[in-house]
Amino acid sequence: DGGITQSPKYLFRKEGQNVTLSCEQNLNHDAMYWYRQDPGQGLRLIYYSQIVNDFQKGDIAEGYSVSREKKESFPLTVTSAQKNPTAFYLCASSIRTVTGELFFGEGSRLTVL
Amino acid sequence: QKEVEQNSGPLSVPEGAIASLNCTYSDRGSQSFFWYRQYSGKSPELIMFIYSNGDKEDGRFTAQLNKASQYVSLLIRDSQPSDSATYLCAVNIGDSNYQLIWGAGTKLIIKP
Repeated sequence: DGGITQSPKYLFRKEGQNVTLSCEQNLNHDAMYWYRQDPGQGLRLIYYSQIVNDFQKGDIAEGYSVSREKKESFPLTVTSAQKNPTAFYLCASSIRTVTGELFFGEGSRLTVL
Repeated sequence: QKEVEQNSGPLSVPEGAIASLNCTYSDRGSQSFFWYRQYSGKSPELIMFIYSNGDKEDGRFTAQLNKASQYVSLLIRDSQPSDSATYLCAVNIGDSNYQLIWGAGTKLIIKP
């Protein structure tokens, strides 16, 4: 079955540590996205990628980094520079970036202790 | 700042009734409008999209768009307990998915 796989589902981190969230898709989609979801707020775009080896900052990229070395993979690193990293992180993909349906992974919940 | 506003709820509706969810947006140039459903602890999934003024129906769901008044709504007829979820409104201020602005969502509870 085609879909998006995020791992880990739950992650605990100590302050000052970097952590990498995995996102893999087998939908053959060109575009991939990382969103952050906090209670009482809409989804906020962290980074997006329209094609392999290219990615762009979203609205809240500070303290995060990504790579897109393969079409299927778009990992997100939450660095120690991110001041408030506790959140629900969602990876999504779409066939292209032109308006259309976003397909989401199951999410990764990061808690900083 | 571009904004999308939704009543956070919870909105409680009896089973079998019509649930009405509303969303307003600030950017008059917005091009397309989406409703996603998100079950608790799960990821959003697209249920409806609408581009033109008026109504668009898909099964028990109807999306309504009024660009002059800058609102979009979602009606769910014959509400079922399985419809209990948070409904996210997303508005595209351009023509690319990375230009989506998301509302915080309305929590809907269908009471048996």
